Amino acid sequence: SQELEQSPQSLIVQEGKNLTINCTSSKTLYGLYWYKQKYGEGLIFLMMLQKGGEEKSHEKITAKLDEKKQQSSLHITASQPSHAGIYLCGAESDYKLSFGAGTTVTVRA
Amino acid sequence: EAQVTQNPRYLITVTGKKLTVTCSQNMNHEYMSWYRQDPGLGLRQIYYSMNVEVTDKGDVPEGYKVSRKEKRNFPLILESPSPNQTSLYFCASSLSINREGGYTFGSGTRLTVV
Repeated sequence: SQELEQSPQSLIVQEGKNLTINCTSSKTLYGLYWYKQKYGEGLIFLMMLQKGGEEKSHEKITAKLDEKKQQSSLHITASQPSHAGIYLCGAESDYKLSFGAGTTVTVRA
Repeated sequence: EAQVTQNPRYLITVTGKKLTVTCSQNMNHEYMSWYRQDPGLGLRQIYYSMNVEVTDKGDVPEGYKVSRKEKRNFPLILESPSPNQTSLYFCASSLSINREGGYTFGSGTRLTVV
C-alpha cells in the first residue's frame, strides 16, 4: 500500500503566525486528500488535489501538489485557535485510501 | 442531511463476545470503508467495499469481518474481540474512488475490549 510521511509530527504556532505541513508519498500521487480531525472525532474533508502543480485554497488554508516530488504541502495563513487539530493527508492506491500519521497543530493565544 | 452514521459511539465489551458496529450512509455512495485509528499508528484501513456484495481486505483485516448486502450499510463484525482490537473505529464512504468530493467519515466508535 501507499506510504505517506507527514512532517512535522506536531507543531505549536502563535496565533496569527503562518504554518506549513508537508506530506511525502512513497508512490506516484494521482490524487491527494487533506483532512482535519479534532481529537477523538471524525475527519473533516478539506480539499483534494488531482493534478501536478494544482493549488487550492479554502478560507486561510492553501494546499499544493508537486507530482514530480510526490509531495503535497498544506499552508495556513494567520493561524487562529479554530485551526488547532490534527491534519492528515490521504492518497489512493489500488482502491485503498491510505493516510499519513497526522500532524498535530496547537495554536497559542 | 448527507452523512455517515455509526453506532454505537462508545462500546465496552469483554474478550470473546461477538459484536457488530453498524455503519450507514444516505448518499447512495458505492464505496465504503472501515478504518481503525491508534496512537502512533495513525489510520489504518481494515476492509473496503466497492459496491454491493463486493468487499476486500485492507491493511489490517485480521479479526474482522464485513458484509455489504445493501448499498447503504456496511457493518463491521468482530467475531471474537480481543484487547488488541481496542481502538477508535471510523467508517467512510465515497461516490467512487478518486472523487473530487472526497470521503465522508462517520463520527467514530470508541471500542474498549477488556
